[in-house]
Amino acid sequence: GAGVSQSPSNKVTEKGKDVELRCDPISGHTALYWYRQRLGQGLEFLIYFQGNSAPDKSGLPSDRFSAERTGESVSTLTIQRTQQEDSAVYLCASSVTGAGSYEQYFGPGTRLTVT
Amino acid sequence: AQRVTQPEKLLSVFKGAPVELKCNYSYSGSPELFWYVQYSRQRLQLLLRHISRESIKGFTADLNKGETSFHLKKPFAQEEDSAMYYCALIRSNDYKLSFGAGTTVTVRA
Repeated sequence: GAGVSQSPSNKVTEKGKDVELRCDPISGHTALYWYRQRLGQGLEFLIYFQGNSAPDKSGLPSDRFSAERTGESVSTLTIQRTQQEDSAVYLCASSVTGAGSYEQYFGPGTRLTVT
Repeated sequence: AQRVTQPEKLLSVFKGAPVELKCNYSYSGSPELFWYVQYSRQRLQLLLRHISRESIKGFTADLNKGETSFHLKKPFAQEEDSAMYYCALIRSNDYKLSFGAGTTVTVRA
């Protein structure tokens, strides 16, 4: 079946603009994660959704970042008033459930460049 | 807070030679350790996890709690092993992956 999909694959935006990134998880996966990967660094956790529970937003770097998820489907990550330091690859992952032993399946990522 | 360290950014080996990617972690509890791999133009995917104790594509990794390490090894590297490898950790009863910075492996003919 289809894996995790993300759109757009690339986004170039001007500093100060808002951007919205989309993630479509694997059907039936209740857990969804957003990670960010800056150049030369490992992935850093941003936010986690599990079913109808309150999301874990502990990794969001500032209040300019927000994310929503509709039920157990699509999620959008919004970055307001983008800054150059927001330039990174944003990865979405989903898993059957949020327990650590379940594999997280990653999407292809959205490469965000803030000029 | 937990931390995952991969000391080698780049690793170059000849085909047929052994390869070992180092991974050290700092966490006082009992973590779950993983190796993820990203081949050129492909998405990040799970290679293996310590709880499975399995060999995938000839790779093995042993969790050494005394040395807090989870090194990845393969006795005979192949050209198709060229990729970016990430070591990752999940704390006990958690779900968030903490990643190392990654090691780029190049296997030369």
